[in-house]
Amino acid sequence: EAGVVQSPRYKIIEKKQPVAFWCNPISGHNTLYWYLQNLGQGPELLIRYENEEAVDDSQLPKDRFSAERLKGVDSTLKIQPAELGDSAVYLCASSKTSNEQFFGPGTRLTVL
Amino acid sequence: QQQVKQSPQSLIVQKGGISIINCAYENTAFDYFPWYQQFPGKGPALLIAIRPDVSEKKEGRFTISFNKSAKQFSLHIMDSQPGDSATYFCAARGTASKLTFGTGTRLQVTL
Repeated sequence: EAGVVQSPRYKIIEKKQPVAFWCNPISGHNTLYWYLQNLGQGPELLIRYENEEAVDDSQLPKDRFSAERLKGVDSTLKIQPAELGDSAVYLCASSKTSNEQFFGPGTRLTVL
Repeated sequence: QQQVKQSPQSLIVQKGGISIINCAYENTAFDYFPWYQQFPGKGPALLIAIRPDVSEKKEGRFTISFNKSAKQFSLHIMDSQPGDSATYFCAARGTASKLTFGTGTRLQVTL
């Protein structure tokens, strides 16, 4: 069974530029999560989808961050414009039940 | 507000020794407490988990001890191996199945 796929794995951009991350969850997993992981910290939830509906986006900085999961499968997280403080690892996870979340390898973003 | 406090920040254990990582929480509504293992360049992977109605859960060399009254839980890794060297995160699940993670413990197992 394929795991959660994320791309790109690494991204380097200059501040004020836009950036997008893509996630394909495990087949059959209706719940999808985007997390932010700063260096030396645990993951912090940005947004959670149940199918195509964003059911928890309370931690998503909506002035510059947006996300979509149009067909209830893969998802895109966008930042526009990126700031220096956005440098971090962006993790996607999916789950079939409310228990185990399966994480992808993450996208490491560096904003210069 | 940090709701799950994890210690130590880093840990060095000799091969064959016992690694112990501790977590404390504040929210009594948490109903599920998983531990995740993360290797460099990888996403976290579920290692073992426990519910608050159980005081201990063991899976192979990994054991969670849970103290509901003290609002504390810990991960014990018996017979620690170099391959166990990774960062470990405790977490707690609250309302709407939201996971709150600790800050992580970087474990190094030396030969």
